[in-house]
Amino acid sequence: QSALTQPASVSGSPGQSITISCTGTNSDVGSYDLVSWYQQHPGKAPKLIIFEGTKRPSGVSYRFSGSKSGNTASLTISGLQAEDEADYYCCSYAGISTPYVFGTGTKVTVL
Amino acid sequence: QITLKESGPTLVKPTQTLTLTCSFSGFSLSTTGVGVGWIRQPPGKALEWLALIYWDDDKRYNPSLKSRLTITKDTSKKQVVLTMTNMDPVDTATYYCAHHRGARLGFDFWGQGTLVTVSS
Repeated sequence: QSALTQPASVSGSPGQSITISCTGTNSDVGSYDLVSWYQQHPGKAPKLIIFEGTKRPSGVSYRFSGSKSGNTASLTISGLQAEDEADYYCCSYAGISTPYVFGTGTKVTVL
Repeated sequence: QITLKESGPTLVKPTQTLTLTCSFSGFSLSTTGVGVGWIRQPPGKALEWLALIYWDDDKRYNPSLKSRLTITKDTSKKQVVLTMTNMDPVDTATYYCAHHRGARLGFDFWGQGTLVTVSS
């Protein structure tokens, strides 16, 4: 079970849109529409921002959206704001035996 | 309101066994579909899923750590316990427990985490 691959860093100016990719395999991302995304500010616990690939929990900004194509899931942050500067992790369901695998994490910097 | 809190030693010696407790409120681990998972994060590194226990006592482990991990629950005490044997300095990390409500929903509520340092 290898970690999902994310870019180490992504940056953008306020108001711009950025996209973070999350590449897995046919055994995880490619087989299930069950990718979740987590936002983590320094020193804080992760926070769920996307579940089931595209859905937002109550209270999460509409500026966060998820998608998937083949073995790659993506998180898009539109209208980038200073408060979006954080680390972001994807996580995919990978089957009943070993249910979860996390991504390598992406640091988002707001320029 | 769902809350979780991890507790356990902050420092363990190499080869020792780590025991962490997740105390939770706002849900029952006897409710169908509910689970509690453990995830860790070494300083400056990525999250790593460790283990998951379901309402029906089904248990799942990260295959790379399976031989060292045991997860148990005490439904009446509202606690989940994770033990990890043969600790090594590379196991130094913040350990989180999280509420799980099925594969669709992922880990929707997390504890604050507890930093465990492995050093002699």
